[in-house]
Amino acid sequence: QVQLVESGGGVVQPGRSLRLSCAASGFTFSRYVLHWVRQAPGKGLEWVALISYDGSDKYYADSVKGRFTISRDNSKNTLYVQMNSLRAEDTAVYYCARVYGSGYGGGMDVWGQGTTVTVSS
Amino acid sequence: EIVMTQSPATLSVSPGERATLSCRASQSIYINLAWYQQKPGQAPRLLIYGASTRATGIPARFSGSGSGTEFTLTISSLQSEDFAVYYCQHYNNWPPYSFGQGTKLEIK
Repeated sequence: QVQLVESGGGVVQPGRSLRLSCAASGFTFSRYVLHWVRQAPGKGLEWVALISYDGSDKYYADSVKGRFTISRDNSKNTLYVQMNSLRAEDTAVYYCARVYGSGYGGGMDVWGQGTTVTVSS
Repeated sequence: EIVMTQSPATLSVSPGERATLSCRASQSIYINLAWYQQKPGQAPRLLIYGASTRATGIPARFSGSGSGTEFTLTISSLQSEDFAVYYCQHYNNWPPYSFGQGTKLEIK
């Protein structure tokens, strides 16, 4: 079935780095625009980043710009986010999500189960 | 940057009754709006896109309306499984793809 599965979360010290992965299955990965969305404990949803079908276009929230890098490997059906210079405020559950249909707009119709990142000394 | 504001923050409704949730955009987003449902410990679930189109498998008791800056999610005849947090999100003039702060729908 159509599925996204995140991995790579954990506890990391402030200033360190972490890379999250999102493995896709059940659909043609290269035909979809993908997002990372996060949710801090007890808080709402925050959009983090978007990547185009082939990885040529990338967009970021101001809160992560210059520190996070989104990427994808269509040969491996996997989405990534490299998170550098982590801060306490980056502590959250990180979700990957697929954009419904073609294009950059549209709702996010498939979500992973999330992976938890905790930034703490 | 477009700011999404949801109201109320918490809505108490009895099972079987109708719930009406609001979402306002700080500038026109046409119909480029989605609604999501999130239950504790779960990922969000897409309910509505294009302001009024139900996503695959979403029951007909969920309906969306509005355009421009004012949007509504209506849940007719609430079922026990509908009590959750609901978020609106725009996808017009991005980035960013802003979410509202959420409305918690609780049992009265």
